[in-house]
Amino acid sequence: DTGVSQDPRHKITKRGQNVTFRCDPISEHNRLYWYRQTLGQGPEFLTYFQNEAQLEKSRLLSDRFSAERPKGSFSTLEIQRTEQGDSAMYLCASSSSGQGAPRVNEQFFGPGTRLTVL
Amino acid sequence: AQSVAQPEDQVNVAEGNPLTVKCTYSVSGNPYLFWYVQYPNRGLQFLLKYITGDNLVKGSYGFEAEFNKSQTSFHLKKPSALVSDSALYFCAVRDGSGGFKTIFGAGTRLFVKA
Repeated sequence: DTGVSQDPRHKITKRGQNVTFRCDPISEHNRLYWYRQTLGQGPEFLTYFQNEAQLEKSRLLSDRFSAERPKGSFSTLEIQRTEQGDSAMYLCASSSSGQGAPRVNEQFFGPGTRLTVL
Repeated sequence: AQSVAQPEDQVNVAEGNPLTVKCTYSVSGNPYLFWYVQYPNRGLQFLLKYITGDNLVKGSYGFEAEFNKSQTSFHLKKPSALVSDSALYFCAVRDGSGGFKTIFGAGTRLFVKA
């Protein structure tokens, strides 16, 4: 179990640029989540994948945000035309849906990608 | 719509004393309830969950939480606090009747003084 990894850990960009983040979940986990966390707040749900299918997406999520999970393995989150309000920590988590598995429904979080938009 | 409230921004306790971090929730279906902890410069870590069964659930590091359906609460407790328990604690809820959207509270910072 190597844990959830995210890349890059930090990203500084200028307003209007596009950015892409990558998440590698725990290998046997079929569920993957993206969250955004700002200072003093809890993680805010962005989107959820089960295998390669994006099954839920927050209504708060702007059209500038898009996520993919090709082949049900790693996932990418892209933000187009970044704005200063996009500055936040972007968290990825994964979990298992295996029937009877002891750690079903527990989300394992990555270290996050801190985005700063200048 | 789901929601979580953590009414205390900060909880201060002395080492060795019992601690309680409060959480109330709102969900239309069956609540799946979670507590996560975030230590400085570290990622969120799972502590415990309530899905079904006994209302008192035990988790990591000696923490436990009690599900109270009538009060829609899921308070986190520990009989004897340690200085190393000082961290940011998040309560979270998911509607177990459908969907995978997990809603987190704003967090409660716990300070345990030696």
